[in-house]
Amino acid sequence: AQSVSQHNHHVILSEAASLELGCNYSYGGTVNLFWYVQYPGQHLQLLLKYFSGDPLVKGIKGFEAEFIKSKFSFNLRKPSVQWSDTAEYFCAVMAGNNRKLIWGLGTSLAVNP
Amino acid sequence: NAGVTQTPKFRVLKTGQSMTLLCAQDMNHEYMYWYRQDPGMGLRLIHYSVGEGTTAKGEVPDGYNVSRLKKQNFLLGLESAAPSQTSVYFCASLWRTNSPLHFGNGTRLTVT
Repeated sequence: AQSVSQHNHHVILSEAASLELGCNYSYGGTVNLFWYVQYPGQHLQLLLKYFSGDPLVKGIKGFEAEFIKSKFSFNLRKPSVQWSDTAEYFCAVMAGNNRKLIWGLGTSLAVNP
Repeated sequence: NAGVTQTPKFRVLKTGQSMTLLCAQDMNHEYMYWYRQDPGMGLRLIHYSVGEGTTAKGEVPDGYNVSRLKKQNFLLGLESAAPSQTSVYFCASLWRTNSPLHFGNGTRLTVT
């Protein structure tokens, strides 16, 4: 069965630290990849997406992610986090022409000022 | 342009009561989804629809029913609420498979 795995469930960082959140998926065909963010008490918002082309994609608020096909990975990065990045981050994959997203369980990020 | 609108925002039910959650989108999206979000369990798909008049089961459909009589609306019904259905419910819509999901603001449901 297709699945998405997020390696870090809880991450605590200090402001200005670098961030990398891991995401791996299990599907051998064409994929569309997403990272969503959920700030406390809010709904999910799209951070960035990969459909095709340059495997390094840039999103909002200084986030970027790299698609490595050989590793089935789509890790999220930010060079310097801010307190306002405190949120839950979800990786999601749409496999082939399937119209359903497969979600990771999320990573809770806390940034200490 | 409101995007995806969910009503109500909050609701408290007693066990055995029924209710309907409404999701409306004004983006002419074909695909619509109902998720529930519980701590430590991420988002789980309840039901979804690939077009007006169609519905399909997701991962956790038991205890819920849905209808998509109009393209812009996707209703989620709880026939006989149970405490296990206490959750935050999110509706989402999708234009096409290589586009992102648009989410509503969520409905926080408590069943006592």
